[in-house]
Amino acid sequence: GAVVSQHPSWVICKSGTSVKIECRSLDFQATTMFWYRQFPKQSLMLMATSNEGSKATYEQGVEKDKFLINHASLTLSTLTVTSAHPEDSSFYICSATGYEQYFGPGTRLTVT
Amino acid sequence: AQSVSQHNHHVILSEAASLELGCNYSYGGTVNLFWYVQYPGQHLQLLLKYFSGDPLVKGIKGFEAEFIKSKFSFNLRKPSVQWSDTAEYFCAVNAGTGGFKTIFGAGTRLFVKA
Repeated sequence: GAVVSQHPSWVICKSGTSVKIECRSLDFQATTMFWYRQFPKQSLMLMATSNEGSKATYEQGVEKDKFLINHASLTLSTLTVTSAHPEDSSFYICSATGYEQYFGPGTRLTVT
Repeated sequence: AQSVSQHNHHVILSEAASLELGCNYSYGGTVNLFWYVQYPGQHLQLLLKYFSGDPLVKGIKGFEAEFIKSKFSFNLRKPSVQWSDTAEYFCAVNAGTGGFKTIFGAGTRLFVKA
C-alpha cells in the first residue's frame, strides 16, 4: 500500500529556534498534502492544506508566518515551525492524497 | 463547514463485551466516512471506511460500522472486544466530491479490562 514518511520522528529544540519537518509520499505522487497537529490526549486538528506549486491554505486560527509550509514537489511537503515556543510542543502529522488519503507516522516536537 | 461529533469520550468495557461508539457528522453533501484507531504510542491506522454502496462496512480486527444517512451517523461496532482493543478511536469525514480535507472527531478512549 501507499506509504507516507515523516522526518524526523522526534525532535527536541530550544525555544526561539526553527524546526523543519518533512513529509514524503514514497510510492505515489501527491498534489495535495495536509498538516495536522495533535495535542496529548486530544484529536487531530487540521492546520493547513498544502498544494504542490502554490501557497498553502491555512485553517482559521493557524498563524501562517509561524508555520511555514512548502510543497516543492509532488512527493515532498515541509512544515517549518519558526521561533518555536514550548506551547508549540505537539505531535505533527501529515497526510498525502493519492488514490486515497494516507497518513504519516507523525513527528513529536518538544520545545524546551 | 463539516464537523464530527463523537458522543463518548471515555469507555470502559470488560473483555468479551460488545462495543458501540457513536459518531455523527454535519455536512449537507456526499461524504466519505472513516474510523481510525490509535494504539498507545503508535500512529493512526485505518479501521474501515465508507465511500458508497453497502452502508454496513466491515473493517479490520472484527470492527464494522453502519452508515445511516437519515441520521447522519456512522457508528462503530464490535461484538466482542479484547484487551488488545484498548486504544483511542477517531471518527473522520471528508467531502465526497474528491476533496480529501478530512475532519476528525474528538476521539473516544476505550479501555478494555482483562
